Amino acid sequence: DAKTTQPTSMDCAEGRAANLPCNHSTISGNEYVYWYRQIHSQGPQYIIHGLKNNETNEMASLIITEDRKSSTLILPHATLRDTAVYYCIAQARGGGNKLTFGTGTQLKVEL
Amino acid sequence: EAGVTQFPSHSVIEKGQTVTLRCDPISGHDNLYWYRRVMGKEIKFLLHFVKESKQDESGMPNNRFLAERTGGTYSTLKVQPAELEDSGVYFCASSQGRALAMNTEAFFGQGTRLTVV
Repeated sequence: DAKTTQPTSMDCAEGRAANLPCNHSTISGNEYVYWYRQIHSQGPQYIIHGLKNNETNEMASLIITEDRKSSTLILPHATLRDTAVYYCIAQARGGGNKLTFGTGTQLKVEL
Repeated sequence: EAGVTQFPSHSVIEKGQTVTLRCDPISGHDNLYWYRRVMGKEIKFLLHFVKESKQDESGMPNNRFLAERTGGTYSTLKVQPAELEDSGVYFCASSQGRALAMNTEAFFGQGTRLTVV
């Protein structure tokens, strides 16, 4: 699976959009981009995934660049409950859920 | 619908003892995964079951760890004998679909915090 690079930490004001970047410059054509998050003391939680097209669900939007070398997870209206570590994971098609978690981005949402 | 449940939530045992962790996946999920995070490290994959069969156990650290999923329902992860470095949080996850053909979301349990003293 391709290596992903994320900033160590980010801050965001409550109510504002949180934009979390991820670099995956070596991603191959059959690898999806997955985002999970882990709120303190809980298990990881799936957020969203995509291959080439931008994706949106009730939690977030995923913007993938045309060359697929980077992506951005967008939480449109961050709340205090969104404070968590966010993981960007490149996962091969057919790779099931054998996920390679890196160090992620610690997002802190503040008043 | 019940999520992935793990038992116990916490366990403190002495070095050399045996501990068994249990995971109940979401009903109907054929795929079951074990992960763990040891102190200060990243979350690491341990193994993957498809129904009762071990699909991938490449992440199991050594032969002191034994995972089973009899009948393809719940799974147990036994550590025998436990060592200090086994301390950490053990997560179980499940997903539906044919893992080797589909990419689906994984649902994680709350984890079991294991402390070996």
